[in-house]
Amino acid sequence: AQTVTQSQPEMSVQEAETVTLSCTYDTSESNYYLFWYKQPPSRQMILVIRQEAYKQQNATENRFSVNFQKAAKSFSLKISDSQLGDTAMYFCAFMKQITGNQFYFGTGTSLTVIP
Amino acid sequence: GAVVSQHPSWVICKSGTSVKIECRSLDFQATTMFWYRQFPKQSLMLMATSNEGSKATYEQGVEKDKFLINHASLTLSTLTVTSAHPEDSSFYICSASVRGTSYTGELFFGEGSRLTVL
Repeated sequence: AQTVTQSQPEMSVQEAETVTLSCTYDTSESNYYLFWYKQPPSRQMILVIRQEAYKQQNATENRFSVNFQKAAKSFSLKISDSQLGDTAMYFCAFMKQITGNQFYFGTGTSLTVIP
Repeated sequence: GAVVSQHPSWVICKSGTSVKIECRSLDFQATTMFWYRQFPKQSLMLMATSNEGSKATYEQGVEKDKFLINHASLTLSTLTVTSAHPEDSSFYICSASVRGTSYTGELFFGEGSRLTVL
C-alpha cells in the first residue's frame, strides 16, 4: 500500500520570504509520479508541480521547486518569494505509474502568507 | 484548456432524497474520471474510479448502492447520492484524465460540490 505523509498541518510565511513544505511517502514501486497540488479557498485543486521518479533532476516551475530524495522517499516543496495568492492548502500526492491516475493524497498543509 | 466543471456547486436536500452531481470535461475527452470526498480540513479520499462505458470501481468501504456513478460518455460522469442522510454531507470533487495521457498524471479537478443533507 502507498502512504503519503505531510507532517506540517499548518505553516505561515511572510510575504516575499521562502517556505518549504515537507512530504514523505512509502512505496515499494520503482516507477511513480509525485505531485504537489494547491487548493485555494475556492476549493478547486490546481497542479503546482510534478516529478517523475525516474528523473534525478528536481522539477521547477517558476517560484516553485521540489527537493526529491528518492532513497529517503522525501518530496518537499519550496516556494520562493511567497505571495498572498499562495495562501492555500497544499497536498502532496503519489501516483503509481503502472496503474495511472489513481492518486494517493497526503493530509495537507495549510499555508498562510502574511502580508 | 483541460477544464473540468461540476454542477451543482452547492446543494441542500432533505434526508431521504437523492441528489445527482454532474462532472463534465469541457474541452477534452476524459478516459477516466475519479470521484473524491473531502471532509473539512481533511484530505481527499478516493471514492471510485469510472471509465467510460464500464462499471465504476469503488474503493473499499464505499457503498456502491448509495453512491451511484455513471460515466455514459467521454465528457460526462455523474455521482448520485441515494437516500441521502446527514452523514453524507461533505464536499465531493471529481477529476478527469485527458485521453492519451493516462500514465503521465495529467489530472484535472472540478470545482467541487458541497452537499448538505438536512
